[in-house]
Amino acid sequence: EAGVVQSPRYKIIEKKQPVAFWCNPISGHNTLYWYLQNLGQGPELLIRYENEEAVDDSQLPKDRFSAERLKGVDSTLKIQPAELGDSAVYLCASSWGSGRAEQFFGPGTRLTVL
Amino acid sequence: SQKIEQNSEALNIQEGKTATLTCNYTNYSPAYLQWYRQDPGRGPVFLLLIRENEKEKRKERLKVTFDTTLKQSLFHITASQPADSATYLCALGGGATNKLIFGTGTLLAVQP
Repeated sequence: EAGVVQSPRYKIIEKKQPVAFWCNPISGHNTLYWYLQNLGQGPELLIRYENEEAVDDSQLPKDRFSAERLKGVDSTLKIQPAELGDSAVYLCASSWGSGRAEQFFGPGTRLTVL
Repeated sequence: SQKIEQNSEALNIQEGKTATLTCNYTNYSPAYLQWYRQDPGRGPVFLLLIRENEKEKRKERLKVTFDTTLKQSLFHITASQPADSATYLCALGGGATNKLIFGTGTLLAVQP
């Protein structure tokens, strides 16, 4: 069974440019998460979806970040415009249910903003 | 605010010994705690979950304890192997938002 798929794996952009990340969760998983991970830190939740509904987006900087999960499967996270401080790894995870459910993580997208 | 502390320095041990990693937390009453392993360039991988009413959980060479009075979890790897070298993250969950809050992780290096 395929795991969580993310693309691209790496992205280098100039500041003020837009960027988008794509995630395909494990088949059948209704909950999808986007995390941000800085070097030497643990993942920090940006947004959590249950099916198509964003149930926790309190940590998403809504002035420049947006996310969508159409049809409750794939998801896209967008940054526009990117800032230098956005350089980090963006992780996508999925689970069956939420709460204490085991989360399955993708390999992440490493974003570098120059 | 909620705070989770893991050993900030790398833990170096000899192959065959038991590795013990610590996760301390403050200003939080988690309903459960999870441990994940993360290798360089990869996403975290789930290892174990322990609930607030459980004192200890085992899985093969892994053992986790959860002391809600001390606000601490210990993660043990017995008979450690070089392949166990990785960063180990603890994550606390439950509460009003029911989301996982991760610690900063501890880098474990097992020397052959």
